[in-house]
Amino acid sequence: LAKTTQPISMDSYEGQEVNITCSHNNIATNDYITWYQQFPSQGPRFIIQGYKTKVTNEVASLFIPADRKSSTLSLPRVSLSDTAVYYCLVGDRDNYGQNFVFGPGTRLSVLP
Amino acid sequence: DTGVSQDPRHKITKRGQNVTFRCDPISEHNRLYWYRQTLGQGPEFLTYFQNEAQLEKSRLLSDRFSAERPKGSFSTLEIQRTEQGDSAMYLCASSPPWGGDGYTFGSGTRLTVV
Repeated sequence: LAKTTQPISMDSYEGQEVNITCSHNNIATNDYITWYQQFPSQGPRFIIQGYKTKVTNEVASLFIPADRKSSTLSLPRVSLSDTAVYYCLVGDRDNYGQNFVFGPGTRLSVLP
Repeated sequence: DTGVSQDPRHKITKRGQNVTFRCDPISEHNRLYWYRQTLGQGPEFLTYFQNEAQLEKSRLLSDRFSAERPKGSFSTLEIQRTEQGDSAMYLCASSPPWGGDGYTFGSGTRLTVV
């Protein structure tokens, strides 16, 4: 199982762009990279998933370099409500539920 | 369907008692997962079902933990003879057969053992 490493915490201010980088040096060929967001007393919520290059949806962008050994979650113009823990996971897209290895995540604090 | 539902949201029990939690997945999802999350840590995988078959249970924390999904719909997680170390959030997730980005978590059951 590919292990991931991400910063334990980050601070930002409202309106700024936030980039959270995740290292996954042992990523396998079939692995996808998935990011989840978790608020206190709630389960994790899917944000974005990608395999290579760049993926963008209505809430975030995911940048993956050619070697796929890292990825960067980009949150544009954060607000106070983006204060949460963000988890980076890697795994086979069809079977990663049972192979999820959640680290402690990155605790993002957005300040006014 | 409004998502994955877990019941109860909170449970306080005395050490040594048995507790059971319920999870109702999204109706068209045939895979169901249980996780445990302690304070400051990410969720830890416990077990999962595909329909009614429990395909992985080696990571249940001890033989005091068991899970069922008798008709391939809702699932229950039981902890027997609870200990203070069992205090945690227990999360359920479900997904369609193809996994992908379809994993959806419930809001969890917070267990406190006193």
